[in-house]
Amino acid sequence: AQTVTQSQPEMSVQEAETVTLSCTYDTSENNYYLFWYKQPPSRQMILVIRQEAYKQQNATENRFSVNFQKAAKSFSLKISDSQLGDTAMYFCAFQGAQKLVFGQGTRLTINP
Amino acid sequence: DAGVIQSPRHEVTEMGQEVTLRCKPISGHDYLFWYRQTMMRGLELLIYFNNNVPIDDSGMPEDRFSAKMPNASFSTLKIQPSEPRDSAVYFCASSFTRREETQYFGPGTRLLVL
Repeated sequence: AQTVTQSQPEMSVQEAETVTLSCTYDTSENNYYLFWYKQPPSRQMILVIRQEAYKQQNATENRFSVNFQKAAKSFSLKISDSQLGDTAMYFCAFQGAQKLVFGQGTRLTINP
Repeated sequence: DAGVIQSPRHEVTEMGQEVTLRCKPISGHDYLFWYRQTMMRGLELLIYFNNNVPIDDSGMPEDRFSAKMPNASFSTLKIQPSEPRDSAVYFCASSFTRREETQYFGPGTRLLVL
């Protein structure tokens, strides 16, 4: 079974700093998708960014980018110029042939 | 599009009562998922549907839980009878056509069983 590991339960940075959240996964599949979801205090699950495993180019969405290392099975999220509104739980997720599997989450706090 | 719609947003009930959670997926999405989120277990998939047909219900905790999808625009998750350990946030999500497509989540229903 696939597993997703987020090794940082909590992180805290100052506003405008850059922060990187770590995620590793375990799978024997070759074709799959990886996601980062954000869950603010409202509890809404919001898609931040998505990566297809067959694409070598790292996905970017404005201030959010990923470092996808397929051989290492690593999928980290970088948030540049962090803002107070980025404060949330961040979940890494793996989607292969089976169900979407989530990591345990990283609680990110952006301090003013 | 309004996104995935869930109701109610909050539900407080007493142990033994029946609880029904409702979901309207994004129009055109063929897959619908029900998740439960707790502090202890994180986010876990309960059941998912493809074209209104239940495909995998292996995550449903026990017979007290049931889910239906009578048409493409409506699904329910029912707990009967409810127990305090069912207290959680229940999310509905939908995706377009293939399972590998991005799942879009509803706002969730926060359930508290006293």
